[in-house]
Amino acid sequence: GAVVSQHPSRVICKSGTSVKIECRSLDFQATTMFWYRQFPKQSLMLMATSNEGSKATYEQGVEKDKFLINHASLTLSTLTVTSAHPEDSSFYICSAAPQNTEAFFGQGTRLTVV
Amino acid sequence: KQEVTQIPAALSVPEGENLVLNCSFTDSAIYNLQWFRQDPGKGLTSLLLIQSSQREQTSGRLNASLDKSSGRSTLYIAASQPGDSATYLCAVLEYGNKLVFGAGTILRVKS
Repeated sequence: GAVVSQHPSRVICKSGTSVKIECRSLDFQATTMFWYRQFPKQSLMLMATSNEGSKATYEQGVEKDKFLINHASLTLSTLTVTSAHPEDSSFYICSAAPQNTEAFFGQGTRLTVV
Repeated sequence: KQEVTQIPAALSVPEGENLVLNCSFTDSAIYNLQWFRQDPGKGLTSLLLIQSSQREQTSGRLNASLDKSSGRSTLYIAASQPGDSATYLCAVLEYGNKLVFGAGTILRVKS
Protein backbone atom coordinates (compact mmCIF):
# COMPACT_ATOMS: atom_id res chain seq x y z
CA GLY A 1 0.00 0.00 0.00
CA ALA A 2 0.90 3.66 -0.13
CA VAL A 3 3.27 5.13 2.44
CA VAL A 4 2.80 8.25 4.50
CA SER A 5 5.77 9.35 6.55
CA GLN A 6 5.49 11.67 9.54
CA HIS A 7 8.34 13.36 11.34
CA PRO A 8 9.28 13.69 14.15
CA SER A 9 7.78 10.75 15.98
CA ARG A 10 8.33 12.35 19.35
CA VAL A 11 9.11 15.90 20.46
CA ILE A 12 9.42 17.64 23.79
CA CYS A 13 9.37 21.42 23.78
CA LYS A 14 9.21 24.26 26.23
CA SER A 15 6.03 26.19 26.76
CA GLY A 16 5.82 29.17 24.43
CA THR A 17 7.89 27.68 21.63
CA SER A 18 6.65 26.46 18.25
CA VAL A 19 6.87 22.96 16.87
CA LYS A 20 6.65 21.87 13.24
CA ILE A 21 5.45 18.43 12.23
CA GLU A 22 5.93 17.14 8.68
CA CYS A 23 3.75 14.73 6.76
CA ARG A 24 4.95 13.30 3.46
CA SER A 25 3.32 10.99 0.96
CA LEU A 26 6.24 8.95 -0.30
CA ASP A 27 4.85 7.15 -3.32
CA PHE A 28 1.80 9.08 -4.40
CA GLN A 29 0.66 12.65 -4.79
CA ALA A 30 -1.82 13.97 -2.29
CA THR A 31 -3.75 17.12 -3.07
CA THR A 32 -5.42 16.69 0.28
CA MET A 33 -4.00 15.60 3.60
CA PHE A 34 -5.67 15.42 6.97
CA TRP A 35 -4.45 16.25 10.45
CA TYR A 36 -5.86 14.49 13.49
CA ARG A 37 -5.36 14.84 17.18
CA GLN A 38 -5.76 12.12 19.75
CA PHE A 39 -5.95 12.61 23.49
CA PRO A 40 -5.15 9.68 25.80
CA LYS A 41 -7.75 6.92 25.60
CA GLN A 42 -9.83 8.87 23.12
CA SER A 43 -10.37 8.46 19.43
CA LEU A 44 -8.91 10.52 16.65
CA MET A 45 -10.50 13.86 16.00
CA LEU A 46 -10.05 15.63 12.71
CA MET A 47 -8.42 19.01 13.20
CA ALA A 48 -8.10 20.26 9.66
CA THR A 49 -7.96 19.37 6.01
CA SER A 50 -4.82 20.49 4.26
CA ASN A 51 -5.28 21.48 0.62
CA GLU A 52 -2.32 21.76 -1.73
CA GLY A 53 -1.91 25.32 -2.95
CA SER A 54 -4.74 26.77 -0.92
CA LYS A 55 -5.83 27.45 2.62
CA ALA A 56 -6.53 24.65 5.02
CA THR A 57 -10.04 23.95 6.20
CA TYR A 58 -10.30 23.81 9.96
CA GLU A 59 -12.86 21.92 12.00
CA GLN A 60 -15.04 23.77 14.43
CA GLY A 61 -13.22 24.66 17.61
CA VAL A 62 -9.72 24.37 16.16
CA GLU A 63 -7.77 27.63 16.24
CA LYS A 64 -6.27 28.31 12.83
CA ASP A 65 -3.75 30.78 14.27
CA LYS A 66 -2.64 28.19 16.78
CA PHE A 67 -2.27 25.30 14.37
CA LEU A 68 -0.73 26.57 11.16
CA ILE A 69 -0.97 24.26 8.18
CA ASN A 70 1.04 24.58 5.00
CA HIS A 71 0.62 22.28 2.02
CA ALA A 72 3.17 23.68 -0.41
CA SER A 73 3.62 20.61 -2.59
CA LEU A 74 1.72 17.49 -3.60
CA THR A 75 3.77 15.36 -1.24
CA LEU A 76 4.26 17.51 1.85
CA SER A 77 2.03 19.08 4.45
CA THR A 78 3.26 20.66 7.66
CA LEU A 79 1.49 21.40 10.93
CA THR A 80 3.04 24.02 13.17
CA VAL A 81 1.86 24.27 16.74
CA THR A 82 2.57 27.88 17.64
CA SER A 83 3.26 29.15 21.15
CA ALA A 84 2.72 25.67 22.50
CA HIS A 85 1.27 25.17 25.97
CA PRO A 86 1.00 22.03 28.10
CA GLU A 87 -2.64 21.57 27.04
CA ASP A 88 -1.39 21.15 23.47
CA SER A 89 0.40 17.97 24.51
CA SER A 90 -1.17 15.22 22.48
CA PHE A 91 -0.67 12.67 19.73
CA TYR A 92 -0.88 14.26 16.29
CA ILE A 93 -1.29 12.11 13.22
CA CYS A 94 -1.69 12.86 9.53
CA SER A 95 -3.27 10.91 6.75
CA ALA A 96 -3.71 10.99 3.01
CA ALA A 97 -6.15 9.12 0.85
CA PRO A 98 -6.04 8.88 -2.92
CA GLN A 99 -9.54 9.94 -3.94
CA ASN A 100 -12.20 7.80 -2.31
CA THR A 101 -9.83 4.99 -1.51
CA GLU A 102 -7.97 3.64 1.47
CA ALA A 103 -6.63 6.18 3.95
CA PHE A 104 -2.98 5.86 4.87
CA PHE A 105 -1.60 7.24 8.08
CA GLY A 106 1.70 8.54 9.25
CA GLN A 107 3.35 7.09 12.31
CA GLY A 108 2.12 9.92 14.50
CA THR A 109 3.93 12.53 16.58
CA ARG A 110 3.84 12.52 20.35
CA LEU A 111 4.10 16.15 21.45
CA THR A 112 4.91 16.94 25.06
CA VAL A 113 4.99 20.58 26.13
CA VAL A 114 6.75 21.22 29.43
CA LYS B 1 -23.51 14.97 11.40
CA GLN B 2 -21.97 11.53 11.07
CA GLU B 3 -21.48 9.63 14.30
CA VAL B 4 -19.59 6.36 14.59
CA THR B 5 -20.11 4.12 17.61
CA GLN B 6 -18.09 1.07 18.55
CA ILE B 7 -19.21 -1.66 20.90
CA PRO B 8 -17.84 -2.95 23.18
CA ALA B 9 -15.48 -0.27 24.46
CA ALA B 10 -13.20 -2.94 25.88
CA LEU B 11 -12.96 -6.69 25.58
CA SER B 12 -10.80 -9.26 27.32
CA VAL B 13 -10.75 -12.84 26.01
CA PRO B 14 -8.61 -15.95 26.43
CA GLU B 15 -6.32 -16.92 23.62
CA GLY B 16 -7.96 -18.95 20.88
CA GLU B 17 -11.40 -17.42 21.10
CA ASN B 18 -13.26 -16.09 18.11
CA LEU B 19 -14.57 -12.59 18.66
CA VAL B 20 -16.69 -9.90 17.05
CA LEU B 21 -16.24 -6.16 17.24
CA ASN B 22 -19.14 -3.94 16.27
CA CYS B 23 -19.28 -0.57 14.56
CA SER B 24 -22.33 1.49 13.67
CA PHE B 25 -22.69 4.76 11.81
CA THR B 26 -25.59 7.16 11.49
CA ASP B 27 -25.29 8.39 7.89
CA SER B 28 -25.13 5.77 5.15
CA ALA B 29 -23.74 8.25 2.59
CA ILE B 30 -20.21 6.90 2.75
CA TYR B 31 -17.56 5.91 0.24
CA ASN B 32 -16.07 3.17 2.35
CA LEU B 33 -15.47 1.86 5.83
CA GLN B 34 -12.07 1.01 7.17
CA TRP B 35 -10.90 -0.97 10.17
CA PHE B 36 -7.63 0.00 11.81
CA ARG B 37 -5.42 -1.31 14.54
CA GLN B 38 -3.57 1.00 16.90
CA ASP B 39 -0.94 -0.15 19.34
CA PRO B 40 -0.28 2.04 22.42
CA GLY B 41 1.51 5.26 21.46
CA LYS B 42 1.70 4.26 17.82
CA GLY B 43 0.10 5.22 14.56
CA LEU B 44 -2.66 3.41 12.75
CA THR B 45 -2.35 0.25 10.72
CA SER B 46 -5.03 -0.36 8.15
CA LEU B 47 -6.54 -3.83 8.48
CA LEU B 48 -9.43 -3.97 6.04
CA LEU B 49 -11.19 -1.60 3.69
CA ILE B 50 -14.72 -2.23 2.51
CA GLN B 51 -16.05 -0.13 -0.32
CA SER B 52 -19.65 1.03 0.01
CA SER B 53 -20.71 -1.39 -2.75
CA GLN B 54 -19.12 -4.38 -1.03
CA ARG B 55 -20.49 -6.62 1.71
CA GLU B 56 -17.32 -8.04 3.22
CA GLN B 57 -13.56 -8.30 3.06
CA THR B 58 -11.24 -10.95 4.41
CA SER B 59 -7.58 -10.94 5.30
CA GLY B 60 -6.12 -13.93 7.08
CA ARG B 61 -7.94 -14.39 10.38
CA LEU B 62 -9.86 -11.17 9.94
CA ASN B 63 -13.22 -10.76 8.27
CA ALA B 64 -15.13 -7.51 8.09
CA SER B 65 -18.71 -7.11 6.94
CA LEU B 66 -20.65 -4.03 5.95
CA ASP B 67 -24.39 -3.46 5.90
CA LYS B 68 -24.58 0.05 4.58
CA SER B 69 -28.37 0.32 4.70
CA SER B 70 -28.49 -0.43 8.40
CA GLY B 71 -25.28 1.47 9.16
CA ARG B 72 -23.38 -1.46 10.64
CA SER B 73 -20.08 -3.20 10.30
CA THR B 74 -18.51 -6.04 12.19
CA LEU B 75 -14.93 -7.17 12.47
CA TYR B 76 -14.54 -10.86 13.14
CA ILE B 77 -11.25 -12.13 14.51
CA ALA B 78 -10.76 -15.89 14.42
CA ALA B 79 -8.56 -17.83 16.81
CA SER B 80 -7.38 -14.76 18.69
CA GLN B 81 -3.74 -14.48 19.78
CA PRO B 82 -2.01 -12.32 22.41
CA GLY B 83 -0.43 -10.38 19.55
CA ASP B 84 -3.91 -9.24 18.54
CA SER B 85 -4.11 -7.13 21.70
CA ALA B 86 -4.54 -3.51 20.58
CA THR B 87 -7.18 -0.86 20.05
CA TYR B 88 -9.35 -1.45 17.02
CA LEU B 89 -10.86 1.56 15.31
CA CYS B 90 -13.43 1.76 12.58
CA ALA B 91 -13.83 4.81 10.41
CA VAL B 92 -16.14 5.80 7.58
CA LEU B 93 -15.01 7.88 4.64
CA GLU B 94 -17.60 10.51 3.87
CA TYR B 95 -18.10 12.50 0.73
CA GLY B 96 -15.46 15.20 0.85
CA ASN B 97 -12.82 12.63 1.77
CA LYS B 98 -13.35 13.09 5.50
CA LEU B 99 -12.76 10.14 7.81
CA VAL B 100 -14.94 9.92 10.91
CA PHE B 101 -13.68 7.59 13.59
CA GLY B 102 -15.33 5.59 16.32
CA ALA B 103 -13.89 5.68 19.83
CA GLY B 104 -12.38 2.24 19.43
CA THR B 105 -12.51 -1.14 21.13
CA ILE B 106 -9.60 -2.01 23.41
CA LEU B 107 -8.90 -5.70 22.95
CA ARG B 108 -6.83 -7.79 25.32
CA VAL B 109 -6.12 -11.41 24.48
CA LYS B 110 -4.82 -13.34 27.47
CA SER B 111 -2.35 -16.19 27.02
